[in-house]
Amino acid sequence: DIQMTQSPSSLSASVGDRVTITCQASQDITTSLNWFQKKPGKAPKLLMYGASNLETGVPSRFSGSGSGTDFTFTISSLQAEDIATYYCQQYDNLPPTFGGGTKVEIK
Amino acid sequence: QVQLQESGPGLVKPSETLSLTCAVSGDSITNNYWSWIRQPPGKGLEWIGYVHSSGTTNSNPSLRGRVTLSVDTSKNRFSLDLTSVTAADTGVYHCARGKATPYDWGQGTLVTVSS
Repeated sequence: DIQMTQSPSSLSASVGDRVTITCQASQDITTSLNWFQKKPGKAPKLLMYGASNLETGVPSRFSGSGSGTDFTFTISSLQAEDIATYYCQQYDNLPPTFGGGTKVEIK
Repeated sequence: QVQLQESGPGLVKPSETLSLTCAVSGDSITNNYWSWIRQPPGKGLEWIGYVHSSGTTNSNPSLRGRVTLSVDTSKNRFSLDLTSVTAADTGVYHCARGKATPYDWGQGTLVTVSS
């Protein structure tokens, strides 16, 4: 299985701050990477696919980049409603595998 | 927009079978892939497997053949059976639309394995 290493596991930032999360794959996955947002008690939501493509309706303050083994997810200006846990997921190989998650909190 | 709702027992005894159903609304179950994903307490997300409306399935080798996935097109729902459960199978189980990318998810249902 492809291992996905996500960091940091948690972060605290102020409203308006730029937030960056990284995800590293144990082997080349080209751009076969998704990012999900999970809020407590709610269904996870797909934010980005193909490493850098924004899902319809997702605010443009979210962005993603990377290819191969190293990926970055950015919130350009953190909003209160962005408090959640974020997960990367590779779909290059079966079984699809997820990163451990990054819990984002407001400072 | 598609909505998914998991249902099933919240408590299952060790060695028994965990059975869950996912009701799909807002979309037809036909010509689509449907998945199950779980999250043990304090741990990460684990892909369980997918089923196509045609009956084609694929499951995570880590579950060592304990998984059966099926579709009921007449009721627009799909199901998961996980046999010989242990405490390690405790967690929140989500159903989702998609094969390797879960595009839409259910909220999840907590299943506890305990005697």
